[in-house]
Amino acid sequence: EAGVVQSPRYKIIEKKQPVAFWCNPISGHNTLYWYRQNLGQGPELLIRYENEEAVDDSQLPKDRFSAERLKGVDSTLKIQPAELGDSAVYLCASSFGLEPNYGYTFGSGTRLTVV
Amino acid sequence: AQSVAQPEDQVNVAEGNPLTVKCTYSVSGNPYLFWYVQYPNRGLQFLLKYITGDNLVKGSYGFEAEFNKSQTSFHLKKPSALVSDSALYFCAVRDGNYGQNFVFGPGTRLSVLP
Repeated sequence: EAGVVQSPRYKIIEKKQPVAFWCNPISGHNTLYWYRQNLGQGPELLIRYENEEAVDDSQLPKDRFSAERLKGVDSTLKIQPAELGDSAVYLCASSFGLEPNYGYTFGSGTRLTVV
Repeated sequence: AQSVAQPEDQVNVAEGNPLTVKCTYSVSGNPYLFWYVQYPNRGLQFLLKYITGDNLVKGSYGFEAEFNKSQTSFHLKKPSALVSDSALYFCAVRDGNYGQNFVFGPGTRLSVLP
């Protein structure tokens, strides 16, 4: 089975430019997460989707970040405009519901560098 | 609120020696505890989990972890370290009664020296 697929793997942009990341979760996984991982730190949740509904976006900086999960499958995370402090690895993960026995499966992440 | 602490930024161990990576947690309800490993330029990979049952949990690549409720700890262990075990290790916790999301610790970098 294919894992969680993210693209692009790397992105370098100038500050104030927009950027978008894409995630394709494991087939059948209805719960999708976006995490941000700063250098040397653990991942921090940005948003959680259950199907197409964003059920927890309390940590998403809504002035510049947006996300969507049309049809409850693929998801896109956008930053507009990007700031230097947004440089990080953006990880997508998916799971089958919230049952802990299923755990998370993470993608390889998108490493964003804002210059 | 739930939280995770990994008191050591870095752990160094010689190949063939036992290793321990420490994790302590704080939750209001029952803890669901996970360990993940991250290799350079890769996503997080699941190692093992504790949900309920036996306090000693065995996982991938020969790793195991012991749940200690009184000490609120979930230390990761391996009897004999390999150089290929060198990576970043993350402990994560979710409150089984009140939490919807996992909270990750800051990570511990394990270096196994040949």
